[in-house]
Amino acid sequence: EIVMTQSPDSLAVSLGARATINCKSSQSVLLRGNNKHQVAWYQQKPGHPPKLLIYWASTRESGVPDRFSGSGSGTDFTLTISSLQAEDVAVYFCQQYFGTPLTFGGGTKVEIK
Amino acid sequence: QVQVQESGPGLVRPSETLSLTCTVSGGSMSDDYWTWIRQPAGRGLEWIGRAFFTGTTNYNPSLKTRVALSLDAPKNEFSLRLASVTASDTGIYYCARDQGLAVPRWLDAWGQGILVTVSS
Repeated sequence: EIVMTQSPDSLAVSLGARATINCKSSQSVLLRGNNKHQVAWYQQKPGHPPKLLIYWASTRESGVPDRFSGSGSGTDFTLTISSLQAEDVAVYFCQQYFGTPLTFGGGTKVEIK
Repeated sequence: QVQVQESGPGLVRPSETLSLTCTVSGGSMSDDYWTWIRQPAGRGLEWIGRAFFTGTTNYNPSLKTRVALSLDAPKNEFSLRLASVTASDTGIYYCARDQGLAVPRWLDAWGQGILVTVSS
């Protein structure tokens, strides 16, 4: 089973500032067939289900604001919120789909400073 | 846009079988794999497994001996059965669409979730 380790557990960021969330996989999640990393990112607000933000490590889902971006390679991946808005307060999860079982990071809680 | 809704009992007694149903509207369940995910209170997400209308399934090895998934495409219903439950099976259960076919990928349409408590 591939373990996804997120950091930090929580962070407080000022409105308009950058938020950076890290995710490390226990092994490579690179699909050699298309040279893409099999990582997705989700946003979960209290009382709501997770919402897909990013897949293939850096492809933004339709309708997701462009202040959200994903990057990374090898075993280290990052979700960046370039200018934090009040509605971005949530828990963020990374997920790998390189192998089964699908596994998720433990989550990072983003709050307003 | 597809709408996903979970239903079933919110309370299950220990050692009994948890049974949930996922209903989809606005789309056909025969086009995609469908997945169950669960989330214990205040904690992370656990993939339970997925199914296709042909009967093909993939399960999390940690639950494989206790779980059964089935998909009834004509009824647009996807079912989860988890046997011999304990308190550690308490949590919110989500149904979601998997964008992968041959292999699982990301999950792009989620139900609101249903809270299931295992208690006597």
